[in-house]
Amino acid sequence: AQTVTQSQPEMSVQEAETVTLSCTYDTSESDYYLFWYKQPPSRQMILVIRQEAYKQQNATENRFSVNFQKAAKSFSLKISDSQLGDAAMYFCAYRTDSYNNNDMRFGAGTRLTVKP
Amino acid sequence: EAGVTQFPSHSVIEKGQTVTLRCDPISGHDNLYWYRRVMGKEIKFLLHFVKESKQDESGMPNNRFLAERTGGTYSTLKVQPAELEDSGVYFCASSQVYGMNTEAFFGQGTRLTVV
Repeated sequence: AQTVTQSQPEMSVQEAETVTLSCTYDTSESDYYLFWYKQPPSRQMILVIRQEAYKQQNATENRFSVNFQKAAKSFSLKISDSQLGDAAMYFCAYRTDSYNNNDMRFGAGTRLTVKP
Repeated sequence: EAGVTQFPSHSVIEKGQTVTLRCDPISGHDNLYWYRRVMGKEIKFLLHFVKESKQDESGMPNNRFLAERTGGTYSTLKVQPAELEDSGVYFCASSQVYGMNTEAFFGQGTRLTVV
């Protein structure tokens, strides 16, 4: 079974600093996608960044980047130059192309607080 | 373009009552998903519609949960009778196509509290 683990229930960062959110996963599949979703308070969950397992290059979206370590099954999210608007719940998710699995698998989430 | 919308945003009901949650996906999205997050736990898949058909309902916890998507547009998730352990946030998501790299668009969730 595929599982996703986020070991940090809460994290905080000073505005303009950098923070890294951890995510590990367990799978026997060789091809899959990994995602980071962000849910601001009482708002819709939105996609922050995604990474295909076959791509060695780490994905980057502006201030957001990932450190994808396939052998270690690790997929951390780095937020640079943190802004107050980055405060949210962050969910790591895994998805493979199989009709036998239950679609997207999520971690328990990390609540990020940004201090001014 | 309107995103995925869910109604209500919050619901507090007594054990044994019935509650119906509604999800309006993005127009034109054939794929609609329901997820649930129990406090402090991971978001868990409940089921997946393709148009009006249930593609995968393996995540539905028991027969007190009934999901429908008549006409392939909006979907409802009914819990009858509700139990305390049904409390949590229910998310709906939609996507135009199905695939492992597909971005799913989520609603803001419905927070259900059963007392």
